[in-house]
Amino acid sequence: GAGVSQSPSNKVTEKGKDVELRCDPISGHTALYWYRQSLGQGLEFLIYFQGNSAPDKSGLPSDRFSAERTGGSVSTLTIQRTQQEDSAVYLCASSPVTSGANVLTFGAGSRLTVL
Amino acid sequence: GEDVEQSLFLSVREGDSSVINCTYTDSSSTYLYWYKQEPGAGLQLLTYIFSNMDMKQDQRLTVLLNKKDKHLSLRIADTQTGDSAIYFCAESAGYNTDKLIFGTGTRLQVFP
Repeated sequence: GAGVSQSPSNKVTEKGKDVELRCDPISGHTALYWYRQSLGQGLEFLIYFQGNSAPDKSGLPSDRFSAERTGGSVSTLTIQRTQQEDSAVYLCASSPVTSGANVLTFGAGSRLTVL
Repeated sequence: GEDVEQSLFLSVREGDSSVINCTYTDSSSTYLYWYKQEPGAGLQLLTYIFSNMDMKQDQRLTVLLNKKDKHLSLRIADTQTGDSAIYFCAESAGYNTDKLIFGTGTRLQVFP
């Protein structure tokens, strides 16, 4: 597609449930990123992929968080046993591999509310 | 470690200049970036600067880089109400990574 697509745009869940957030990057972009934006906070890095591999997953807050990417395209961020502190906007971005500036294109985000 | 700091709020009158400041920690960053986030939207790239430059101008935007002090600023000339948004600076996390570290974001409010 023309841009980075994320779904769902809004998700309300109960504490303890699992959620899956999906990101469809720009076609041909080999790098894919997940960030989290909490109220009053900046962008917190979670994980990034080069192709299907994740060279850096240091930002995942706990083992309840996992992400995968298949076919060098779509990525899914899974949060198990959600907690109220997981409430945030989860942003996905993709970028092409170039030797110059690393320009990320962001999706509109998935807003997660944990009750 | 990696850390990018920004002030949280800036309020300016329409027509004035806005200056948004950022400090970063990783001296190996090759590029530094400014992104803009409008309400309910993702981030959009505004501009970036290569680390061997000290200034870059792009229409109403001027980026200044002081590598010695690890200080980056974004000046918006003739600020308009449509410039009201959150502005993030970002640095690359090192030489051998494509990871970008973003700052806390500065909310710019433009009043008439």
